[in-house]
Parts: sequence; structure tokens; C-alpha cells
Amino acid sequence: QKEVEQDPGPLSVPEGAIVSLNCTYSNSAFQYFMWYRQYSRKGPELLMYTYSSGNKEDGRFTAQVDKSSKYISLFIRDSQPSDSATYLCAMAPLLYGSARQLTFGSGTQLTVLP
Amino acid sequence: DVKVTQSSRYLVKRTGEKVFLECVQDMDHENMFWYRQDPGLGLRLIYFSYDVKMKEKGDIPEGYSVSREKKERFSLILESASTNQTSMYLCASRPSRWGLGEKLFFGSGTQLSVL
Repeated sequence: QKEVEQDPGPLSVPEGAIVSLNCTYSNSAFQYFMWYRQYSRKGPELLMYTYSSGNKEDGRFTAQVDKSSKYISLFIRDSQPSDSATYLCAMAPLLYGSARQLTFGSGTQLTVLP
Repeated sequence: DVKVTQSSRYLVKRTGEKVFLECVQDMDHENMFWYRQDPGLGLRLIYFSYDVKMKEKGDIPEGYSVSREKKERFSLILESASTNQTSMYLCASRPSRWGLGEKLFFGSGTQLSVL
């Protein structure tokens, strides 16, 4: 079983829809949670990060963490065609000291239709 | 604007060839990384380097080696390419030791096909 599971999609939604992207994890040591966005033919870019349970908001994006269920989500409100990309979750222990402790999900491909 | 540049966007090589993938960053970052990205498997760490001439194995180092002779340049070497090394290769860099809020800066990737 992988440490981080992410629904690969693809996910296709109409413009303006609310999008929910999700990851589950099994390693209780994970305390630092990130979402990267990867446009086609580009490398991933950090979109948001959080290290506490609950919600963190940044514009149209909300990152949610439920440590008791080992479940994280990224919500996109009022989705736009420019949000079309692959979204990768990533996790690590809180004070991780090695790149080997950073684990990525497999990514969810999102298409927002105009 | 920060930049991680990978020398080739697409590469086609033959089985058994020695392959060099080059990565250069212009941000004076100490840490550099090589990942491969495969559908359904996500990003997997091949090798990383904390400093010039230093390297550490990641999760899947078999069949690969690396070289870091200068701070800005990190090369991934496939000593004898095999078809199972067909993949997207992503280079990344980072300015300091790990900590909250620190992020990886990725290049645009090299799609390698081994025939």
C-alpha cells in the first residue's frame, strides 16, 4: 500500500464549479501538507501548504486537513479554465531533514471547461 | 525570476546508450534533486545533493548516477539506458535545509524515451 493515495482522475468540470481534490495517507508522522500545481509541459509549482488540522484559505483555494482521518483536500471555488492542470499533494514530517521524507501523491488531472 | 533549466525537453535514446540529463539553476541554491514522474506513480526521488560534490541516494537510485561539480549544475546519468527508464525526469532545487514553507523549484522536465 502506498503511503499517499490520490485519485488520478481525470476530472472534468464546467467553469464556475466547486472542485474537490483529495488525498489519503497512512503515515501518522506526516504533519506538513502541500499542494503543487503542474501545468501541461511544465514542472510542479507550490500552490499552498499547511501544517495544522482545519482549513487554510488563499483566494479561491482552500486546503483542508483532517489528521484524525488522515485525509486532506484542496477545494477550488469558482473554477476557471486557467485552473486546468494536474494537482499533486505532498506530505512530510513537520521538521523533516531529508528529501527522502517528502512523499508526493500521484496527481489528479483537472480540466475546467469554458 | 527564479529559474531551473533542463537542457532538453525531449530525448530519444537507444537501449544501452549512456544518457546525460543536465540541470542548471540560477538561484544559488545549495540543494538540488532529480525525480522521475510516471503515470499513477507520482514523483519518485532518484538522487539529491546538498552541496557541491555531495550526493545522496533517493528512493529509486538503481541504474542512475549523478554529478555535481558546480553549485549551479546537477547532472543525472543513465549508465546504460533501458526501456524501463522511459519517463519524465524533473530537476528541482531549494535554497536551504528543510523547513516549514520551504518549497521546491522545478524545471520543466525532460521526457526521455528509450527504444
